[in-house]
Amino acid sequence: GENVEQHPSTLSVQEGDSAVIKCTYSDSASNYFPWYKQELGKGPQLIIDIRSNVGEKKDQRIAVTLNKTAKHFSLHITETQPEDSAVYFCAAPARGGSNYKLTFGKGTLLTVNP
Amino acid sequence: DAGVTQSPTHLIKTRGQQVTLRCSPKSGHDTVSWYQQALGQGPQFIFQYYEEEERQRGNFPDRFSGHQFPNYSSELNVNALLLGDSALYLCASSPRQGVTDTQYFGPGTRLTVL
Repeated sequence: GENVEQHPSTLSVQEGDSAVIKCTYSDSASNYFPWYKQELGKGPQLIIDIRSNVGEKKDQRIAVTLNKTAKHFSLHITETQPEDSAVYFCAAPARGGSNYKLTFGKGTLLTVNP
Repeated sequence: DAGVTQSPTHLIKTRGQQVTLRCSPKSGHDTVSWYQQALGQGPQFIFQYYEEEERQRGNFPDRFSGHQFPNYSSELNVNALLLGDSALYLCASSPRQGVTDTQYFGPGTRLTVL
């Protein structure tokens, strides 16, 4: 099945700095890549996603880039704020491109220091 | 527009007991997926229901079973509970099975097995 590797496992930045989280996947048939933010005691919240027909997508301070050749995608957060502190997960669909069976990375704990 | 709801919020059981968790999907969604999230890990896919049938299943034993009702709500049942079943159980809903659509998660049910 799909294997998703996520790095780093923890990331600490100063408020206003940028943060980058990277993920690699194994199944070249995968065509949909969401990113989720999970705050303590809550369920994962979809923050941005990208499909394989585009290389980059941006939504205000958040952007995702996709390199299908290298099979990796990254989350970029600019002008970080303390409320960005949370665990971030990347995901990719299981083998065969089934978008309803997501395989998640192990998560990145982002801490934004005021 | 109500999001995905889950009940109960927390549950404490002892080994060998059985448990039922409930999920109501987001309005307009007809597909429900269940995930298990152990502490410090990403969510792991358990199974998915569409049209009241289990459509896909992850690597979980038969002790894990489910059901979907005509109103699209769903239940997750776990029999013969083990200590290792302690986790956050997440429900996610999607608007159309088999189509590339995003999954929206509920807040989860925290299950503790003593």
